Amino acid sequence: GAGVSQSPSNKVTEKGKDVELRCDPISGHTALYWYRQSLGQGLEFLIYFQGNSAPDKSGLPSDRFSAERTGGSVSTLTIQRTQQEDSAVYLCASSRDTSGPQHFGDGTRLSIL
Amino acid sequence: QQPVQSPQAVILREGEDAVINCSSSKALYSVHWYRQKHGEAPVFLMILLKGGEQKGHEKISASFNEKKQQSSLYLTASQLSYSGTYFCGTEDGGGSEKLVFGKGTKLTVNP
Repeated sequence: GAGVSQSPSNKVTEKGKDVELRCDPISGHTALYWYRQSLGQGLEFLIYFQGNSAPDKSGLPSDRFSAERTGGSVSTLTIQRTQQEDSAVYLCASSRDTSGPQHFGDGTRLSIL
Repeated sequence: QQPVQSPQAVILREGEDAVINCSSSKALYSVHWYRQKHGEAPVFLMILLKGGEQKGHEKISASFNEKKQQSSLYLTASQLSYSGTYFCGTEDGGGSEKLVFGKGTKLTVNP
């Protein structure tokens, strides 16, 4: 596809369950970013990848959050033992390099019951 | 350090002008501007780099004052389609390679 693709678009799960969110960046984009956006709030940085490496994981809220990127392409954000405060829209963005414009996916709306 | 955007919200009539400011407490390497419409993903508007010139995009332009560590987004002769929340994202001069976004400015353009 031409843009950043995220799946699922919506996820409802029970507190305590694990979830996996997927991001498929634009082909050829080496940088990939994960953000979290709570209702009416700004974009909270979580982690970014340059290739398969994650130079900055400082935004991950707790050790329940992890992310990986394989083959310099698809990335997965995993949240273990979900809590209600994890409810938010999780946005992925990619860019040709770390200084270029970021192209965002439509996000995954995560709801924890 | 999260940049501070002002104002938090602004309401305009079609054809009016607006300025949105973004200030940082840290020396900046670049400033990005994005617009997000309700229920949609943020969309890139422009990047301003340290040492660069004022950028323009249709009737939307921006400036970057490195000394004051701030950027301003100028919207002239606003159109209904300009409505949305505008975010600035700043990359500091320490080579962090990541953007820290402000809380956003909600712009509403009415007929």
